[in-house]
Order: sequence, then structure tokens, then C-alpha cells
Amino acid sequence: AQKVTQAQTEISVVEKEDVTLDCVYETRDTTYYLFWYKQPPSGELVFLIRRNSFDEQNEISGRYSWNFQKSTSSFNFTITASQVVDSAVYFCALSDPSDETSGSRLTFGEGTQLTVNP
Amino acid sequence: EAQVTQNPRYLITVTGKKLTVTCSQNMNHEYMSWYRQDPGLGLRQIYYSMNVEVTDKGDVPEGYKVSRKEKRNFPLILESPSPNQTSLYFCASSYLAGVSTDTQYFGPGTRLTVL
Repeated sequence: AQKVTQAQTEISVVEKEDVTLDCVYETRDTTYYLFWYKQPPSGELVFLIRRNSFDEQNEISGRYSWNFQKSTSSFNFTITASQVVDSAVYFCALSDPSDETSGSRLTFGEGTQLTVNP
Repeated sequence: EAQVTQNPRYLITVTGKKLTVTCSQNMNHEYMSWYRQDPGLGLRQIYYSMNVEVTDKGDVPEGYKVSRKEKRNFPLILESPSPNQTSLYFCASSYLAGVSTDTQYFGPGTRLTVL
């Protein structure tokens, strides 16, 4: 069975600090996808990134960067120079496309509430 | 604009009163699914559909029904809602290639309260 763990329930930082959100996953499969979604206070889910299990290159998009380490089953998300607008709940998710019984559902972590204070 | 829409966005109802939450997508996606979000549990899949007239149970299907009569619509039906179905509900859709889905895009959410 798949599992995603986000051990940090809440993180509070001051604006301009860097912050890393941890994500650890479990799966028996060699082919899978990892995702990060952002849920701002307004409630919608915003897609941030999708990573294939065969692609271990780190990715940077503006102030966001992702560190995928297959050896430790982790897919951590770093926000550099955080801003108040980054305040949101962030979800890490796992999808196993080879499992025909799962309908390629996303297995979500519990989410990390990030609060960026001015 | 490509989007997933849900209605209503907010609903307060009473135990046992049948309700339907609609979901529609305009991206011609084959795959659609419903999730519920509860504190400390993240999101869990209720039902999914690979295509028209093809639906299947997710992780928490009890107390829910779905139908997929048209490609763009995937309503969630609660025949006899109970207070433990109070939750935030999300519809999602994506392209489907074989059994692999592309990135799932989510609707704005429906906050349901069952008294």
C-alpha cells in the first residue's frame, strides 16, 4: 500500500526566511509520480509540481525548489525568501499509474500548514 | 478558460435529506474523481471514473454514489447524508493514457455540513 507522510503539521516562519517542507513516501513500485499542491486560505487546490520517479533531477521554479531523493523516499519542497502570500496548507501526494485497481488515485499526506508572518 | 467547476460551493443540510454535488470539466478529460478532505487525514478518494459509464470505488465510498452519463459531468450523490459526511469535497479531472493519468486538476471545493 502507498503512504505519504508529512511529519510537520504546522510551520511558522518570518517573512524572507527559507523554509523546507518535508515529504516521505512509501510505495512498492518502481514507477510512480509525486506531486505538490498548495491550498491557500480560500480553499482551492493549486497544482505546483509533478515528478516522475525516474527523474531525480532537482527542480527550481522561482522561489520554489524541490529535492527528490529516491534513496530516502523523500520529495522535499523549499521556499526561498518566503512571503506572506506563501501562507497555505501544502500537500504532498503520490500516484501509482501501474496499479490498475487504484484508478491512479492520488494518495495524499496530511498536509503542512505554513504560516509566514510579516 | 480550462477549469473544473463544482456546485454548490457551500451547503448546510440535515441528516437523511438527499443531495447532489455537481462537478463539470471543460477540458475533455477522461478521468474524473471525488475526494474528501478532513483535518489530519489529508484528502481521500471516494469514487473515480475512467470514462463515460465506467465508475469504481476509491478508498472511502460508503454512503456515496456517483454517475458518469456524460464525459464532462461527474455528480456526487449522498442518498441519506449523515453528520460524519460533513467535510470539504473536491472533484478532480485529468487526461488518461492507458491506466496512467496526467496531472489531476481540482475544482474549487464544496464545503458540506450535515446537521
